[in-house]
Amino acid sequence: GQQLNQSPQSMFIQEGEDVSMNCTSSSIFNTWLWYKQDPGEGPVLLIALYKAGELTSNGRLTAQFGITRKDSFLNISASIPSDVGIYFCAGANSGYALNFGKGTSLLVTP
Amino acid sequence: NAGVTQTPKFQVLKTGQSMTLQCAQDMNHNSMYWYRQDPGMGLRLIYYSASEGTTDKGEVPNGYNVSRLNKREFSLRLESAAPSQTSVYFCASTSVGEIYGYTFGSGTRLTVV
Repeated sequence: GQQLNQSPQSMFIQEGEDVSMNCTSSSIFNTWLWYKQDPGEGPVLLIALYKAGELTSNGRLTAQFGITRKDSFLNISASIPSDVGIYFCAGANSGYALNFGKGTSLLVTP
Repeated sequence: NAGVTQTPKFQVLKTGQSMTLQCAQDMNHNSMYWYRQDPGMGLRLIYYSASEGTTDKGEVPNGYNVSRLNKREFSLRLESAAPSQTSVYFCASTSVGEIYGYTFGSGTRLTVV
């Protein structure tokens, strides 16, 4: 599969802080997605992006599809303890399977 | 609505043993997938089934076989388990063309000793 580089690998922040993470690829994708995985569960879709330059929000989450189609970022504003988990980016073109990044592990202290 | 159901949730195998991981979805999805998740490696695709009756290899298929039993069920078989197959296995499903509709199961945690 195509390699996605996700950073940072982990983050340890205080409640109320904003969080930013990003994902880059050497290949172009037509779709970027961001998933969150809670401990002991499968990933759940947070945001889907379908157009270069697109900026999409879902509550306190904002994600952007990079103009080059080779990158995407996810911001979380005013973090809360339930934001703890692993965040994955995923890219896709035609076909069926997603290519996942290695994940960003987020820890939030009260 | 159960979504994607995986069984078992936990399993310990001895090297060389065989087992089948079961996955069933009740969302009438056409496509189903098996991923493995290892620390620091993210999710890697093992096999997928674009539609009933078809299966294809993903990124890491060696040591595994799959069966798309019907539209609902997609099983993953380890014929001779190895310690390198210790991992968390996730099944997912989606409708054709709806990659945003990926739904994951809660995973099977497999340890091979």
